[in-house]
Amino acid sequence: ILNVEQSPQSLHVQEGDSTNFTCSFPSSNFYALHWYRWETAKSPEALFVMTLNGDEKKKGRISATLNTKEGYSYLYIKGSQPEDSATYLCAFHGAQKLVFGQGTRLTINP
Amino acid sequence: SAVISQKPSRDICQRGTSLTIQCQVDSQVTMMFWYRQQPGQSLTLIATANQGSEATYESGFVIDKFPISRPNLTFSTLTVSNMSPEDSSIYLCSVLRTINTEAFFGQGTRLTVV
Repeated sequence: ILNVEQSPQSLHVQEGDSTNFTCSFPSSNFYALHWYRWETAKSPEALFVMTLNGDEKKKGRISATLNTKEGYSYLYIKGSQPEDSATYLCAFHGAQKLVFGQGTRLTINP
Repeated sequence: SAVISQKPSRDICQRGTSLTIQCQVDSQVTMMFWYRQQPGQSLTLIATANQGSEATYESGFVIDKFPISRPNLTFSTLTVSNMSPEDSSIYLCSVLRTINTEAFFGQGTRLTVV
């Protein structure tokens, strides 16, 4: 069974603070690591697709890093805003499958 | 991007019956997947739909219960067979256009079994 683990499961952050969370995945048969932002009743919205060890990607206040040798990725949000409240999913693409983690539910308190 | 049409969007079914869900993509894609989303949970991979051959199922999912077809590079179906109330869930199809690109999702099928 292929395990993709995200931590923490939920997080409450004060508006303006920065935060980060983790995705761990198998280090073998790696094709890519995806991050998505997911709001209730909507389709997941792609943030990053990362393929190379040491990759760092940035989109506005959100950035991500990738370590394929040890099997983890971090997602960072700088200066959190209320609109950042959502569930953040990572997904491991390897061996002909795309497996999602359980997500980190982020709530930004005004 | 990829535009995906998933049908039906919702259904209420009697236990013991079967429902077939369709996923149509507007262009050819490399990979197609089927997921189940139970209330309050993330996306659980049911299987990878393989074009012209049997789907690859994840642990806990079997072909007799969830037969999948993928006759070409733009279309797939998932059947939920001999349904019970425990099958009530949202079912999603997802595609990857190429290996290193983002996934796109159908609108989901909300299934209720009574």
